[in-house]
Amino acid sequence: DSGVTQTPKHLITATGQRVTLRCSPRSGDLSVYWYQQSLDQGLQFLIQYYNGEERAKGNILERFSAQQFPDLHSELNLSSLELGDSALYFCASSVVPGRNTEAFFGQGTRLTVV
Amino acid sequence: GDSVTQMEGPVTLSEEAFLTINCTYTATGYPSLFWYVQYPGEGLQLLLKATKADDKGSNKGFEATYRKETTSFHLEKGSVQVSDSAVYFCALLGGGSSNTGKLIFGQGTTLQVKP
Repeated sequence: DSGVTQTPKHLITATGQRVTLRCSPRSGDLSVYWYQQSLDQGLQFLIQYYNGEERAKGNILERFSAQQFPDLHSELNLSSLELGDSALYFCASSVVPGRNTEAFFGQGTRLTVV
Repeated sequence: GDSVTQMEGPVTLSEEAFLTINCTYTATGYPSLFWYVQYPGEGLQLLLKATKADDKGSNKGFEATYRKETTSFHLEKGSVQVSDSAVYFCALLGGGSSNTGKLIFGQGTTLQVKP
């Protein structure tokens, strides 16, 4: 158990809908990262938050947004869903951002858009 | 930009065989390098890491050496077990001063070990 909790584990929804994925980081970790794992794109970095502030953005679509709350949990919002958004979404956390800090991953949320 | 290239899978081995999964990278500065493992139905777990050239990361019988001259970080294990069947990801963390901690992953290599 990495200590990073993601809910829900599975989500099935229809095209055009909106969903929210939730992540609780490890106790004491201030930085949260979101990644998308799909068959054609592999593991792609989406966005990072540090202590409530957006720190870095990767290949995140405009239809997607995220935030980190004062209690440090994070939510990833996906809207106007398309079939191609079906993927495994991972959250990771680390104490602080940086090259020598280890990131711990949650078990992921598997999103299926039908 | 920074990138990681892994050998394509799947890799199928018999139990007790020797394993090598190749990984090469392109990066500016001095990145940190990682191997993550994903067991079926689970999240990513850090397997081992190396933060500077010539460092050797090791864990659970797996090893990888950070080779700056060949920009490689190949994963090896002398004798694989059925329980090692999983997807293995090579990843780097950029070494620039502005690095935010985001990981750049290779495509992943599926390992299947048969009894």
